[in-house]
This record gives sequence, structure tokens and C-alpha cells, in this order.
Amino acid sequence: ETGVTQTPRHLVMGMTNKKSLKCEQHLGHNAMYWYKQSAKKPLELMFVYNFKEQTENNSVPSRFSPECPNSSHLFLHLHTLQPEDSALYLCASSPGGGETQYFGPGTRLLVL
Amino acid sequence: QKEVEQDPGPLSVPEGAIVSLNCTYSNSAFQYFMWYRQYSRKGPELLMYTYSSGNKEDGRFTAQVDKSSKYISLFIRDSQPSDSATYLCAMRPNAGGTSYGKLTFGQGTILTVHP
Repeated sequence: ETGVTQTPRHLVMGMTNKKSLKCEQHLGHNAMYWYKQSAKKPLELMFVYNFKEQTENNSVPSRFSPECPNSSHLFLHLHTLQPEDSALYLCASSPGGGETQYFGPGTRLLVL
Repeated sequence: QKEVEQDPGPLSVPEGAIVSLNCTYSNSAFQYFMWYRQYSRKGPELLMYTYSSGNKEDGRFTAQVDKSSKYISLFIRDSQPSDSATYLCAMRPNAGGTSYGKLTFGQGTILTVHP
């Protein structure tokens, strides 16, 4: 595997379910990110982790819970989501400085 | 007012045309400017990265930054059907500190290059 991988690629869940999204980067980067991409809206930064420490929580509801066990792995735990949370969730990683971010293919999430 | 404005298009051009994509922004602190390309059902892919004002060329792609006008452009020469994608501009202030990794994106412009 190369670059940034995300699993699953597609996820359908009910509002009472609990699920997790996984991201893995094979680039040796020290920072990882979660973004939300909704139709007709700009990419929204959700969380930033730098050397496993969370450095940014962009006012994300608590039903989204990130976890970064090491610099190569990032999880997004989901519980009691709302239909408006349906979107493409993108993971990215970057070397120091954070300008050049490399994205994974995303997880397409549908909340019913 | 949005921090970054980008016309969502869609933009449709014939093969071989010169394409001009643009973003305007309001935050004068932005110093780093990027263009990403996103194919359908894929994540964004970094195309061009520039710091401060000026031009940068890479093959058929040229990125321009005019900080005095708060305006950035991406030009694609000899456009190909394979260039059909959504193009996202992104920008951020100086590196480090509380702005670490905090890119602000435009909405994206949908481009179709038809044969």
C-alpha cells in the first residue's frame, strides 16, 4: 500500500449505530487530518493531529470522536449521527508545516 | 463573506483550449496557496503549491498569485479530456503556531474538457 488509505470506502448506518472510519498513511508524515466534504460546500477541516497530539478541533459535535494511536493511523469514531452528517469523509496527512497535504480516497457515509 | 470565493462552474471547454480557474480571498494573512484536483469518487490530489506572490509553472499547468489583489489563478494549457475534474484552491497563513495545517478551501470548480 502506498499513500493514504481509508476504510471502508462506503458506509451506511442508522442514527443509533456506532461505527469507525480508519485511515492509514504510508508516507512517513507526522500530521494527520479529518475533513468533511459535502455537496456544494468547501472542504471543512474537522480535526488535526500532529505527532499524535490533537492540535485542532474545529467545533465538531461530540458525536464525532477522533483517535490517533500513532503517526500512521487515524480513526474517526461515529455514534448517534444525524442524516445531515451524510458526506464524504476525507483523511489527509502532511510532513512538517502542514501546507502540502495528501488525501486518501475518502469514505462515503450515508446516515439513514 | 466567505474567506475564499471560487466559482463552482461548471466550466466546459473543447480539447486543446486554455483553461483559467480563479479564486479570490479576503484574509491578507494567507501566504501559502495550493491547487488540488479531485476526480470523481477520489480524494483531492495536490497539483501546485506556491508561496507568496508570483508564478509557478509545471508542465501544462501555471499557478499565479497576486497578493495585492487577493487573487490566485490556475491556467491549464492544451487541455485534455483527462483534465476533467473538480479543481479546488486552498490557502493558509504562515506555517506553524495555531494555524498549523489549517487550510481554507474554495468550493471547487467543476471542469469538463470535451473531445
